[in-house]
Amino acid sequence: DGGITQSPKYLFRKEGQNVTLSCEQNLNHDAMYWYRQDPGQGLRLIYYSQIVNDFQKGDIAEGYSVSREKKESFPLTVTSAQKNPTAFYLCASARQGYRAGELFFGEGSRLTVL
Amino acid sequence: SQKIEQNSEALNIQEGKTATLTCNYTNYSPAYLQWYRQDPGRGPVFLLLIRENEKEKRKERLKVTFDTTLKQSLFHITASQPADSATYLCALDSSGGSYIPTFGRGTSLIVHP
Repeated sequence: DGGITQSPKYLFRKEGQNVTLSCEQNLNHDAMYWYRQDPGQGLRLIYYSQIVNDFQKGDIAEGYSVSREKKESFPLTVTSAQKNPTAFYLCASARQGYRAGELFFGEGSRLTVL
Repeated sequence: SQKIEQNSEALNIQEGKTATLTCNYTNYSPAYLQWYRQDPGRGPVFLLLIRENEKEKRKERLKVTFDTTLKQSLFHITASQPADSATYLCALDSSGGSYIPTFGRGTSLIVHP
């Protein structure tokens, strides 16, 4: 079955540590996105990529980094520079070049800083 | 500044009634608007898309309207069921040719049996 897979589902981190969240899709989508969701908040865009080896900052990129070496994969690293990393992280994908396409979301990764 | 507003208070209705959720926006000229459903602890799931030149869209028990003059979309669920209880998010595209959807905070719907 085609879909988008995020791992791990739950992650605990000590302050000062970097962590990497995995996002893999087998939908053959060109575009991939990372959003952050806090309680009572909407989804805020961290990074997005519309093609392999290229990505752009979203509204809240500070303290995060990404890579897009393969079409299927768009991992997100939460660095120690991110001041408030505890949140629910959502990865999504969409067909490129089809401007009004729906987003397909993964099940999310919940990161807690201890 | 750009804003997408959805009612932050939960909407409580009785089973069988029609639920109506609102999405208002300012300083946007979206080419389309989308609605998603999100269950607790899960990723959003796409429901419907309506384009700027469409007034209304239907899918089974769902209906979406889009009024670009009022800058508002209404999302209706007819004959609501307890299984419809979830948070509903609206999303607008950012103008300028890039598909970068911006989401509202969502409205929680609770359907009581």
